[in-house]
Amino acid sequence: GAVVSQHPSRVICKSGTSVKIECRSLDFQATTMFWYRQFPKQSLMLMATSNEGSKATYEQGVEKDKFLINHASLTLSTLTVTSAHPEDSSFYICSARTGLAGGRLDEQFFGPGTRLTVL
Amino acid sequence: AQSVTQLGSHVSVSEGALVLLRCNYSSSVPPYLFWYVQYPNQGLQLLLKYTSAATLVKGINGFEAEFKKSETSFHLTKPSAHMSDAAEYFCAVSDGATNKLIFGTGTLLAVQP
Repeated sequence: GAVVSQHPSRVICKSGTSVKIECRSLDFQATTMFWYRQFPKQSLMLMATSNEGSKATYEQGVEKDKFLINHASLTLSTLTVTSAHPEDSSFYICSARTGLAGGRLDEQFFGPGTRLTVL
Repeated sequence: AQSVTQLGSHVSVSEGALVLLRCNYSSSVPPYLFWYVQYPNQGLQLLLKYTSAATLVKGINGFEAEFKKSETSFHLTKPSAHMSDAAEYFCAVSDGATNKLIFGTGTLLAVQP
């Protein structure tokens, strides 16, 4: 259980185009999803927190108009990289948080990631 | 603010040898601590987590970690390395409220035959 998928796994696009990445929780409802980016040989950096039905909360330094996040349902969040440029090339990973009844800590389950290459 | 420091970006061990990956944390509140493993071009898989219960936490694949408050450490160990353990390992801290994970810079573990 607790499987998170991402689509696509890889995408190559031309500079100036927009790219949408989907993150789905396959067998549970995720009230919160997180989006991370990871540069080569570096750690994961949290970009934003996405709550179903509300606006995403972006971390400092992340352009919300550049990285559009939509969390339309309890199983789907999307990240759209608008007008992508080569510096946006990165590995984007989402995670989904379960809700544990009576528990303080909700575990995050990570998707397999999406490799974005902007030419 | 919370942070984690992983000492050693690269660790190399021989197959069958002890694995020790170091993680020190900084937190103003009782932390929740995690170790994740990442294989190339894949997402993260949870190895184990500390959530203020037992200080010695056992995880998957034979890994364990001990929470030491006096040393603000949460080092990951495995008695005997396997070739399949070669991967990148990330330590992370959370405050347990926002559930935001703050990751360390990662340690790449190589296992030599």
